[in-house]
Parts: sequence; structure tokens; C-alpha cells
Amino acid sequence: DAGVIQSPRHEVTEMGQEVTLRCKPISGHNSLFWYRQTMMRGLELLIYFNNNVPIDDSGMPEDRFSAKMPNASFSTLKIQPSEPRDSAVYFCASSFRGTGETQYFGPGTRLLVL
Amino acid sequence: AQSVTQLGSHVSVSEGALVLLRCNYSSSVPPYLFWYVQYPNQGLQLLLKYTTGATLVKGINGFEAEFKKSETSFHLTKPSAHMSDAAEYFCAVSIGGGADGLTFGKGTHLIIQP
Repeated sequence: DAGVIQSPRHEVTEMGQEVTLRCKPISGHNSLFWYRQTMMRGLELLIYFNNNVPIDDSGMPEDRFSAKMPNASFSTLKIQPSEPRDSAVYFCASSFRGTGETQYFGPGTRLLVL
Repeated sequence: AQSVTQLGSHVSVSEGALVLLRCNYSSSVPPYLFWYVQYPNQGLQLLLKYTTGATLVKGINGFEAEFKKSETSFHLTKPSAHMSDAAEYFCAVSIGGGADGLTFGKGTHLIIQP
């Protein structure tokens, strides 16, 4: 069974450009999470969805960040406009909602904003 | 709000020696606790988790951890280190049982000396 799939794996863009990160969760999972990893701040939760509905977006740093989950098998995280401080590794994770359920992480998207 | 503290950003042990990675948490409600491992340029993989019941939890690759409520700790151990254990280890806490987002510690880089 395929794990969480993220694309692209690497993205290099210039400041001011729009960036879209994509995630396909594990089939049958109904919770999806976006995390960001930086050297300074470590791993931070940005937003998570249950049954395609955003539940908590308090971790989204600014209005420049937005996330959608149009269906159970696809989610996007968009940054517009991008800034150098957005450079990080962005992880998507999915789980089957329930007590003690494991979150399975994708390989991440390494974003560099010049 | 919950938080996680991992003592020691880097831990170095000799191959065959005991591995001990420390994790202390803060939570206003009974927590669910997780240890994840991250190999270079990869996503996070679950090592083990504590939800309810037995406080000594066994995970993959010979790792185990013990939940000690009185000490608010969840330290990770392995009796004999192997070179392949070299990686970044993250302790995480959830108050929603993993159905909500995870709060991660800063991570501990485990170095195995030959």
C-alpha cells in the first residue's frame, strides 16, 4: 500500500512567486495534517483537516498561507506571495481519526525561496 | 496548551552501549505520547506510542519507552545501540489522542560511535 505522497519533493522559487504543495493521504484515512520543519522552530503544526473540513488553522503563520482539501484523496498548501523565511521542509501526514491513532508522514517537500 | 522538552540536542553513544533519550512533557489533560525517528532527507516514522494501559511501551527496532506520570516523562531507551540507529528522534504529545495535531520536541540527534 502506498504511503502519503507529496509533490514536488523539491521546489526552488523566487520571492514573490506563488508556491503550491500537494499531498495525497493514505487511502481510507480521514484526518490530514500539514507540518513545517525549520532549524529555528523545529516541527510545527500548520493546519489539520477531519473529513475534508479544516479543524484548526491556528498554526498557519500568515494570510499568505492557505490550505484546501477538496476531497478525501487530495490536499494543497499554497503560499502566495512566497518569502525567503518560508524556506523549510513541509510535511503532510494522515491518520484514521481515533484515539491513539498513528499519523503517517510523507517524505516532505523541501522549499527554498530565493 | 501542551509542550515537550527533549534534553540534549545531540547524544553520542558507542555501538553496543545503552541508548537513553530524554523527553518530558507538559499537559493539562492525560496525554498521548509518541516517539518518531527521522533519517536524513526522509519523513518521520513512528517508533512507539503510549495511549492508555501498560506504561512500558515496546516499539520497533528494539526501542522501548516508559510513561511516568509522576515525573511527566517518556524517555526512550534501547539496550544496545547499532550504527543504523543514527538519526534524529522526536518526542511528541497529543491531547486528542493523535486525532488532533502533534506537538513536537526540538529533537535529539543520536550519534553512534564505532
